[in-house]
Amino acid sequence: EAAVTQSPRSKVAVTGGKVTLSCHQTNNHDYMYWYRQDTGHGLRLIHYSYVADSTEKGDIPDGYKASRPSQENFSLILELASLSQTAVYFCASRLRGANTEVFFGKGTRLTVV
Amino acid sequence: GDSVTQTEGLVTLTKGLPVMLNCTYQTTYSPFLFWYVQHLNEAPKLLLKSSTDNKRTEHQGFYATLHKSSSSFHLQKSSVQLSDSALYFCALRDMGYKLTFGTGTSLLVDP
Repeated sequence: EAAVTQSPRSKVAVTGGKVTLSCHQTNNHDYMYWYRQDTGHGLRLIHYSYVADSTEKGDIPDGYKASRPSQENFSLILELASLSQTAVYFCASRLRGANTEVFFGKGTRLTVV
Repeated sequence: GDSVTQTEGLVTLTKGLPVMLNCTYQTTYSPFLFWYVQHLNEAPKLLLKSSTDNKRTEHQGFYATLHKSSSSFHLQKSSVQLSDSALYFCALRDMGYKLTFGTGTSLLVDP
């Protein structure tokens, strides 16, 4: 089965600090996504990418940056972490194609204090 | 923009009873609909998918039919089990790259 690996799996960050969440996939997938999960909001798309060296804004990009230096790696960067960014973050990937399955990583639980 | 609506936040049922979880969507494109299931502290996993109008799709005892006329893709099962307790997400993909999720429905099955 397709593998999407996130690191770290959990993190406590200080308000105003910089946080980098990393995602690595070995599936040769074209598309990669970052979602955040909050109770009552489901999964909301932050950034996505369909090719290396290019990223696109999702539905809630404010306060986040993304970087895709290679096909396998996709990072989410919080330059100035805030309390409201406490959430579980999921990375996902899928192959190009009309109806292809999205595979998720196990998530990163971020707590900003 | 695209949107997915799941009206139930929590559904509680007794084992063996049938269940239907509602999902409606809005898009201007030809839709691809998905159901994902997330067990506690795990990643969401694909349960069902469809892009064919009025065709039932089934997996692991769950089934759903995409109805473009009513913009719906409700998830059903005839007899729920304890192991079905999880969070269920309906998702919509348009012709582009985005996958838009609903807010999710928690299914809790009692013995």
